[in-house]
Amino acid sequence: EVQLVESGGGLVQPGRSMKLSCAASGFNFSNYGMAWVRQAPTKGLEWIATISYDDTSTYYRDSVKGRLTISRDNAKSTLYLQMNSLRSEDTATYYCTRMGLTAFDYWGQGVMVTVSP
Amino acid sequence: DIQMTQSPSSMSMSLGDTVTITCRASQDVGIYVNWFQQKPGKSPRRLIYRATNLADGVPSRFSGSGSRSDFSLTISSLESEDVADYHCLQYDEYPWTFGGGTKLELK
Repeated sequence: EVQLVESGGGLVQPGRSMKLSCAASGFNFSNYGMAWVRQAPTKGLEWIATISYDDTSTYYRDSVKGRLTISRDNAKSTLYLQMNSLRSEDTATYYCTRMGLTAFDYWGQGVMVTVSP
Repeated sequence: DIQMTQSPSSMSMSLGDTVTITCRASQDVGIYVNWFQQKPGKSPRRLIYRATNLADGVPSRFSGSGSRSDFSLTISSLESEDVADYHCLQYDEYPWTFGGGTKLELK
């Protein structure tokens, strides 16, 4: 069974950093691209970043470029999102999702990040 | 960026109704549209991929249609368990973009 389990969220002050992790199991992690998607409270879904299966390519939405970094450790079957210089508008539930043959076939349960003084 | 205009933003329907939700892309995205269902407090679940393909385990009352810039999700006979938010996604071109979502409630 495919499982994606996010961790590392919580309350953080503006301007500080936080690192999210997503532990994958039930499939060969190193064969799949992965992505992060977020959802601000009562808002819609927003794609943030994608990383290729072999870590050779990454893509970001403009609003997070230079502040958020997606990475992966295939040996540990884990996806990461390093978030620096956090802003109030980064407050959201962050989902880890698998690319599959088409986008986003499996999702984690999500982890909440609240940016507040 | 490609805009995905989803409508309606909310709808109230009766059990057994046929429900149609639409997404219009601001440019040609081919067939690279997925549809997702999200129940309250839960993660999204993929329903439809590449515009028309039913994902594994999804009931056959769900269907997707469309190509290029006009897409729709249809629920042929609404059941109570279908109460949820629905989202479309284009993944033809970065940045990938979602529609604004549709909240489906029971009348």
